[in-house]
Amino acid sequence: DIQMTQSPSTLSASVGDRVTITCRASLYINNWLAWYQHKPGKAPKLLIYKASALESGVPSRFSGSGSGREFTLTINSLQPDDFATYYCQHYNSYSKTFGQGTKVEIK
Amino acid sequence: EVQLVESGGGLVQPGGSLRLSCAASGFSFGNYWMSWVRQTPGQGLEWVANIKQDGSERYYVKSVKGRFIISRDNAKNSLYLQLNTLRVEDTAVYYCVREPGSPRYCGDYGCYYLDFWGQGTLVTVSS
Repeated sequence: DIQMTQSPSTLSASVGDRVTITCRASLYINNWLAWYQHKPGKAPKLLIYKASALESGVPSRFSGSGSGREFTLTINSLQPDDFATYYCQHYNSYSKTFGQGTKVEIK
Repeated sequence: EVQLVESGGGLVQPGGSLRLSCAASGFSFGNYWMSWVRQTPGQGLEWVANIKQDGSERYYVKSVKGRFIISRDNAKNSLYLQLNTLRVEDTAVYYCVREPGSPRYCGDYGCYYLDFWGQGTLVTVSS
């Protein structure tokens, strides 16, 4: 099975910072890579699909890039509402595999 | 407005059963693949199962195959997950999730990502 590894596990940042989260696949994957934002007690929210396509309604400060085995989620000018846990997800065969998550904390 | 509202969670003993429900509204439920995803305490997200629009195909993660059953009733705009032979490690928040409606984002076994999530229902398996 393909494993998805995110780094870092935790990230401390300040409002206004540029933040980058990396997701690495254990094998080469196509670009069916999605990113989600999850806040405690809330429904997870789709941010990015197909590695770089911004979901409707998601602020443009969020962007995704990458191909092959390495993908990144970038948040430009971090806002107070962005402190949350972020997950990458890959579709392989019939299964959807998530990374272990990256918690973005207030510095 | 798209809404997915889960119910049916609770405390159950190991070996017991539970049935989760998800009421969908705000979209044409019968046109979408649907999934269940869970988050175990202190852990990340795990996809559990999905079901095709007409219910003719269902897929499961290995750890629940043979114990959980996903089903749907398109007339009632509802998704279900029957949890049998529950284990302590099944303790989690279970989310009802919609897969994208466009065929270009879907393959033979479902769609490539998950575009709308419910708030979840907590299942606790403990003696």
